[in-house]
Amino acid sequence: EAQVTQNPRYLITVTGKKLTVTCSQNMNHEYMSWYRQDPGLGLRQIYYSMNVEVTDKGDVPEGYKVSRKEKRNFPLILESPSPNQTSLYFCASSLASLNEQFFGPGTRLTVL
Amino acid sequence: SQQGEEDPQALSIQEGENATMNCSYKTSINNLQWYRQNSGRGLVHLILIRSNEREKHSGRLRVTLDTSKKSSSLLITASRAADTASYFCATASFSGGYNKLIFGAGTRLAVHP
Repeated sequence: EAQVTQNPRYLITVTGKKLTVTCSQNMNHEYMSWYRQDPGLGLRQIYYSMNVEVTDKGDVPEGYKVSRKEKRNFPLILESPSPNQTSLYFCASSLASLNEQFFGPGTRLTVL
Repeated sequence: SQQGEEDPQALSIQEGENATMNCSYKTSINNLQWYRQNSGRGLVHLILIRSNEREKHSGRLRVTLDTSKKSSSLLITASRAADTASYFCATASFSGGYNKLIFGAGTRLAVHP
């Protein structure tokens, strides 16, 4: 089954404790991205990757890092999480940046 | 800044009625996409309409695009309780030197049995 998976689905952590949210897709997509969703703000892009070893900042990259060592995986790293990073995070993939996006199920992160 | 802005923010209708949601945007686009999101879940792609297309259908969904008015509408006919969800438009364009897909804040649709 074609899908995008994220782990964990729910995470409660404390300020400053490094964490990684994994994202994996099995559709051989070149383009992957991370979004955060906050009430009333829609989805805002954090980082995106056009292909392996090619990543770039989206609209709200501060406080986040990503890597793309393999085509299928695109982890999101929060080196020192803060409460303002409490949000619902989505990973998405597509054949190309302007094509239809396939979304993962989301990761609800709470930073205390 | 947001490219696509949906209207209304919330819509409440009875089963069997039609639901219309609108999306306005500011700059030229390559295509416009509509997505559905059930509460707390990932977005699901519904329809993509290209800038040179005016109308597209998919089952009970009808999407129109008016590039002169920079607006799009999503019509759901004969709505069902299962259509209750948030609906987002996303504009795909070349902006600031790279391709960009920007989502609006969404329309929350409630369909009552």
